[in-house]
Amino acid sequence: KNQVEQSPQSLIILEGKNCTLQCNYTVSPFSNLRWYKQDTGRGPVSLTIMTFSENTKSNGRYTATLDADTKQSSLHITASQLSDSASYICVVSPSSGGYQKVTFGTGTKLQVIP
Amino acid sequence: DSGVTQTPKHLITATGQRVTLRCSPRSGDLSVYWYQQSLDQGLQFLIQYYNGEERAKGNILERFSAQQFPDLHSELNLSSLELGDSALYFCASSPHPGGASSYEQYFGPGTRLTVT
Repeated sequence: KNQVEQSPQSLIILEGKNCTLQCNYTVSPFSNLRWYKQDTGRGPVSLTIMTFSENTKSNGRYTATLDADTKQSSLHITASQLSDSASYICVVSPSSGGYQKVTFGTGTKLQVIP
Repeated sequence: DSGVTQTPKHLITATGQRVTLRCSPRSGDLSVYWYQQSLDQGLQFLIQYYNGEERAKGNILERFSAQQFPDLHSELNLSSLELGDSALYFCASSPHPGGASSYEQYFGPGTRLTVT
């Protein structure tokens, strides 16, 4: 069964500090991996989409990396801001099958404190 | 603002009742996806429609059904509601049929359903 595991489950950091969130997956063969940011009670917003051939993608202070060999991805947040407080969700799509095969992680809850 | 609209924002109803949630996708998007997110839980994919046809089915209960209309808006019908159905229900849209493609998906603001 395809799985996506995210760690840590939750994280508290000081404003201005950097942090890295992890996503390990077993989906194979793999097509693309997405990171979403979800503010509490709001819809998720896409941060990055990486195909199997890409190993890094940036979106402002957010940088996602992908190692398809070890089936690991990370999301690095630089110079955190209070507005980064949210859940971050990793989503992995296999290279075949319909959307029902897409696997969602349960998310990492990040809290940035002053 | 993602361009995806959902109504109503909040819904409170009693067990055993039936409700309908509505979603209007972004202009030009043919795919609509429905998700359920219970308190402090991850997103659960329910069902996808593409250009009026059911495209993919996730963990959708038999008490739930959906459809996509010719104008591409979609409705999610939840019947015989139980306390456990209380959740945020999100709709998302994309221009593509989904699956393996590296498409962008845009989420609506959600409908918060409370079953009492």
